[in-house]
Amino acid sequence: GAGVSQSPSNKVTEKGKDVELRCDPISGHTALYWYRQSLGQGLEFLIYFQGNSAPDKSGLPSDRFSAERTGGSVSTLTIQRTQQEDSAVYLCASSLRQGPVSGYGYTFGSGTRLTVV
Amino acid sequence: GENVEQHPSTLSVQEGDSAVIKCTYSDSASNYFPWYKQELGKRPQLIIDIRSNVGEKKDQRIAVTLNKTAKHFSLHITETQPEDSAVYFCAARQGGKLIFGQGTELSVKP
Repeated sequence: GAGVSQSPSNKVTEKGKDVELRCDPISGHTALYWYRQSLGQGLEFLIYFQGNSAPDKSGLPSDRFSAERTGGSVSTLTIQRTQQEDSAVYLCASSLRQGPVSGYGYTFGSGTRLTVV
Repeated sequence: GENVEQHPSTLSVQEGDSAVIKCTYSDSASNYFPWYKQELGKRPQLIIDIRSNVGEKKDQRIAVTLNKTAKHFSLHITETQPEDSAVYFCAARQGGKLIFGQGTELSVKP
């Protein structure tokens, strides 16, 4: 596609429910990243997929968070048993080459605003 | 792992003045340092980047400098305009991913 597409754009869920967030990267981009941005905060790294390699999960905050990437394209971030502190904007980004290098920075999606009530 | 510190957290300047945002990083192996601009309600967008083999890079009114020895890099915006108002993030590459600073909210007053 023309850009990184994320869905839904907004999600309100009840505490304790599971949610799935979707990211469709730019066609041909081999690297895909998930970040979390809490209100007024920076971009917190969650997980990174590169081709068929094992993902870098070092940023996932707890075992309630998981992500997968099917067929090297679309990715789903799943949050189980949501808590109020999970409320944030979840941003997906993709990159043409293996990791961001000069001239090939991330392209971010518009994000999913998750509100846990 | 990599840790990126960014200062100041907020910055207010008069239109036409210069703005400087500074970042430090911890991992000496980091070799790529981009800057992103995020306008209110929008996605972050890359505005300039620099590799570790370069000390300075300029693109019109914006420039980035890098001091590898001291492990710090800075964004310089000259002749600021109201449309420069946004949150700016620095980042350093660790392995295949970027680690971001906490952001600087820049306000340019007309």
